[in-house]
Amino acid sequence: GEDVEQSLFLSVREGDSSVINCTYTDSSSTYLYWYKQEPGAGLQLLTYIFSNMDMKQDQRLTVLLNKKDKHLSLRIADTQTGDSAIYFCAERRTGGFKTIFGAGTRLFVKA
Amino acid sequence: KAGVTQTPRYLIKTRGQQVTLSCSPISGHRSVSWYQQTPGQGLQFLFEYFSETQRNKGNFPGRFSGRQFSNSRSEMNVSTLELGDSALYLCASSTETSGSNEQFFGPGTRLTVL
Repeated sequence: GEDVEQSLFLSVREGDSSVINCTYTDSSSTYLYWYKQEPGAGLQLLTYIFSNMDMKQDQRLTVLLNKKDKHLSLRIADTQTGDSAIYFCAERRTGGFKTIFGAGTRLFVKA
Repeated sequence: KAGVTQTPRYLIKTRGQQVTLSCSPISGHRSVSWYQQTPGQGLQFLFEYFSETQRNKGNFPGRFSGRQFSNSRSEMNVSTLELGDSALYLCASSTETSGSNEQFFGPGTRLTVL
């Protein structure tokens, strides 16, 4: 992805929490997103956070945003084998009408 | 409401040929974006169309082009195919009216260039 960075792999045990991290570059980005891609499928929006928020919780998902450090994280509580997928972080830049994606973090969940 | 559809799902071409991929957005969505996904490069933005106008373009050579029709359906074309064009091409649509600009993705077209 263009200037949105994520680690490539994460492996956790079933039942543990997963934390996927992302750094972005444009401090004026309005929305930051987490998408999930399962094998053979397109991307599915999991959650998003507006840039004036620090945290958003949605069931097992918690998004933390540190705007000063341009750092975004996604925490998945009680990770299940069905959570195994590629997770993409993305930022919506002001102006330019484009959303920039990271390269994706492949999450492996061990039973 | 039907989701984003892309045709064809799979395509095999040889070097030098050209290809046209099609995307039908969700009904009512006027913005369509195209992305190229490869294992090494992740998701790369190609271009975005809104009301038949290209609003933004990524860093791809002129061999990659697109258009949008009045019914918001979009096509992208790749001419003079190269081996490196083998990828999953994803289309996404959005309303541009909801504040979050959420994008809805199609399943993609997997292009293999031999």
